[in-house]
Amino acid sequence: KNEVEQSPQNLTAQEGEFITINCSYSVGISALHWLQQHPGGGIVSLFMLSSGKKKHGRLIATINIQEKHSSLHITASHPRDSAVYICAAPNNNDMRFGAGTRLTVKP
Amino acid sequence: KAGVTQTPRYLIKTRGQQVTLSCSPISGHRSVSWYQQTPGQGLQFLFEYFSETQRNKGNFPGRFSGRQFSNSRSEMNVSTLELGDSALYLCASSRGQAGGGYTFGSGTRLTVV
Repeated sequence: KNEVEQSPQNLTAQEGEFITINCSYSVGISALHWLQQHPGGGIVSLFMLSSGKKKHGRLIATINIQEKHSSLHITASHPRDSAVYICAAPNNNDMRFGAGTRLTVKP
Repeated sequence: KAGVTQTPRYLIKTRGQQVTLSCSPISGHRSVSWYQQTPGQGLQFLFEYFSETQRNKGNFPGRFSGRQFSNSRSEMNVSTLELGDSALYLCASSRGQAGGGYTFGSGTRLTVV
């Protein structure tokens, strides 16, 4: 069993839809990261959160430490949100990654 | 402030050669970590350096090595390249404290032919 599991693996949505990507982890962590990777490879760190909820524009990330679960939500999705979203769990000085969720938002 | 800079962006090498990749962290960040991303394995942790010392190492063969300089810039080296080493190599910098945020570079895409 992977230490960090994401679902779904692939997601296709129509512009304007509400998107949810889930991440479950089994390692002990101090914080969880959500990353965005566009074609071409560059990775952008969207959120780092250790409790509760964070919001940035149309993006919302939540985490439940007791249940070891985090979600990334995108409201009013747009084609430019199309990317791979990866959750990452630092474990000591290591980082464990989910396999990523490939999101495609169609106009 | 300047982001994390990785050089070169693209590299083509032949099997058996060696390669050195460079990562310049954000000013003030003392930790640099390296990752390999392949279509089959996804993102995997290679190693992490903090204040010129390797603090942790992932499950990669000894052909993969790294170092960090006093200005926190880091290099990673892969010797005796194999076709399977073709990947996107990413580095990330942080202050090195538990729970600290990471900033990623744009990566170096290495192709081994």
